Amino acid sequence: GNSVTQMEGPVTLSEEAFLTINCTYTATGYPSLFWYVQYPGEGLQLLLKATKADDKGSNKGFEATYRKETTSFHLEKGSVQVSDSAVYFCAQDAGGTSYGKLTFGQGTILTVHP
Amino acid sequence: GAGVSQSPSNKVTEKGKDVELRCDPISGHTALYWYRQSLGQGLEFLIYFQGNSAPDKSGLPSDRFSAERTGGSVSTLTIQRTQQEDSAVYLCASSLAGVQETQYFGPGTRLLVL
Repeated sequence: GNSVTQMEGPVTLSEEAFLTINCTYTATGYPSLFWYVQYPGEGLQLLLKATKADDKGSNKGFEATYRKETTSFHLEKGSVQVSDSAVYFCAQDAGGTSYGKLTFGQGTILTVHP
Repeated sequence: GAGVSQSPSNKVTEKGKDVELRCDPISGHTALYWYRQSLGQGLEFLIYFQGNSAPDKSGLPSDRFSAERTGGSVSTLTIQRTQQEDSAVYLCASSLAGVQETQYFGPGTRLLVL
């Protein structure tokens, strides 16, 4: 079946450090891939997405590239800020009969210290 | 414009009681989704409405769970004879019709079954 596996946390970094959160997926077709973020006390927000192989999604300094050969969609940011502290979820929409059903990873808690 | 809204924001109930959770999607969004976020299971898809089509109920965990969408807009998720394992945050999302459209999430309803 369709699944998403992401790096277990929590991840603790100092401000301006480099961030990578790994995400891999299994799907029978060609899914769309997403990163959602949940800031403390707030709802899920779309951070970025990519809909086909080799696409790069980017937003707020975050980037992720859809790698079909490694079935991955790792999230990166070159210099994190305290305000990036949140829970990050990788997700896929496998399409076909699964269209609309987002499958999420377990979430990674990121804490950034000044 | 307004985002997805959900009510109530918090609900405490006793085991065995029925509860109703409400979702108001973004105006003009024809697709509506319910998800559940719990400690043990992460984020899980529950049900999906698209326009006037029959809903995709494949994620509902038991026949105690049901949902309806009136007039193609507001949706109500009903849990009958609640159990302690139903305690979770119930998230609603909406999107425009069409493939690969972004889902926008509401703030969720936190349900606690005592």
